[in-house]
Parts: sequence; structure tokens; C-alpha cells
Amino acid sequence: DVKVTQSSRYLVKRTGEKVFLECVQDMDHENMFWYRQDPGLGLRLIYFSYDVKMKEKGDIPEGYSVSREKKERFSLILESASTNQTSMYLCASSQVVGYTFGSGTRLTVV
Amino acid sequence: LAKTTQPISMDSYEGQEVNITCSHNNIATNDYITWYQQFPSQGPRFIIQGYKTKVTNEVASLFIPADRKSSTLSLPRVSLSDTAVYYCLGKTDSWGKLQFGAGTQVVVTP
Repeated sequence: DVKVTQSSRYLVKRTGEKVFLECVQDMDHENMFWYRQDPGLGLRLIYFSYDVKMKEKGDIPEGYSVSREKKERFSLILESASTNQTSMYLCASSQVVGYTFGSGTRLTVV
Repeated sequence: LAKTTQPISMDSYEGQEVNITCSHNNIATNDYITWYQQFPSQGPRFIIQGYKTKVTNEVASLFIPADRKSSTLSLPRVSLSDTAVYYCLGKTDSWGKLQFGAGTQVVVTP
């Protein structure tokens, strides 16, 4: 079965920490995405990548960066975590149409 | 981007058919219509996709009229496990980027 795996299910970090969220897919997909999901705001696109070492800003990139050194891995980086970045983070991959999502990482910044 | 509009919530009893209609008035010629399902604390899961007329799989049916300005997701004989949020997406751009709306919360009761 094809998979998108996010390294952590739950994470608690302190304000100001640098946080890495890892995502790995085993489908050889070109496109990978990071979303965050908050109550009442739905899923919002943070960054996406359509190839190794390529990245594009989504709708809410501020406070985040990404890294894609290998095709199967797409990392989301919170440079200096803040409490307003407490959220559910979802990684996804796709080839043409149709996404496969990971199970999500629930990040709490205290 | 095509804007989609769907009901905020729908209630149903077990064994009934649930139909969720989504409007996407400015859908482009090349756009597919895609539906996703999301359970609490999980990432969205692809259900079905279509371009026109009717598409059916083991989970649901998708009805798309000739003008493609709306679509209806039909869930036959729902069970308690079909309680979830259902998203209609009427647009994928050239990078396969999806824009999620607010979704429809379906609650199935005994």
C-alpha cells in the first residue's frame, strides 16, 4: 500500500525553538505539499515542491521554510516556533491529480 | 481558481443515502472534480474524481451535469463510520495544487 509517512504524530516544542517536521513518500511522486489545518480555517497550503531542490510558496509561508534534498523526502522547518504555529500539519504527495496525505503531526508550541 | 460552495453540515441515519451537492460555477474546461473524506485527527483521503456524467467506485458515486457547474457526491447506505468531513475541490492548477474549502460535516446516527 502506498504511503506518506510523517515522522511524528504529536510534538510539543518551546517558543523560539527550531522545529523540523519530516515527511517521506514511497510512491516516487514528483509533487509534495505541506498544509496546516486549524478549526474554522480548513486546510491552508504552506509550501509545495514539484521537484528535488525546487520549492514554491503557498498561501501562508511566513515563519516556515522547506527542504527537498531527495525526491521522497520533504521537510518543513519552523525557524523560530511561535504559539500561533500550534496546529495540525499535514504532508501530501501527488503525481498528476489526486493527493495522498500523511496522518498528520499535531504540533503544540508552548 | 474555481470557488466551491457546499453545505456546512448534513445529518443522516444509518442505512440512508447521503447526497452532498457542491457548486463550482467558474470551473475551467480542464478541471476535474475531486472529493476527499477526512476523519478527525487524520489526513484527508481521496474518494472519487470525475470530469463529466457519472463515476462510480466501491465507496461512492459522483454525478456531474452537462454544464459541470455543480456535482453531487452520493454515499449509499451510510454507516456510523461514514461520519466525517467531505471536501469538494473543483480546481487543480498546473502543479496539481489543491485548494480546500470548508467542507461538509456529515454526521451519521443510529
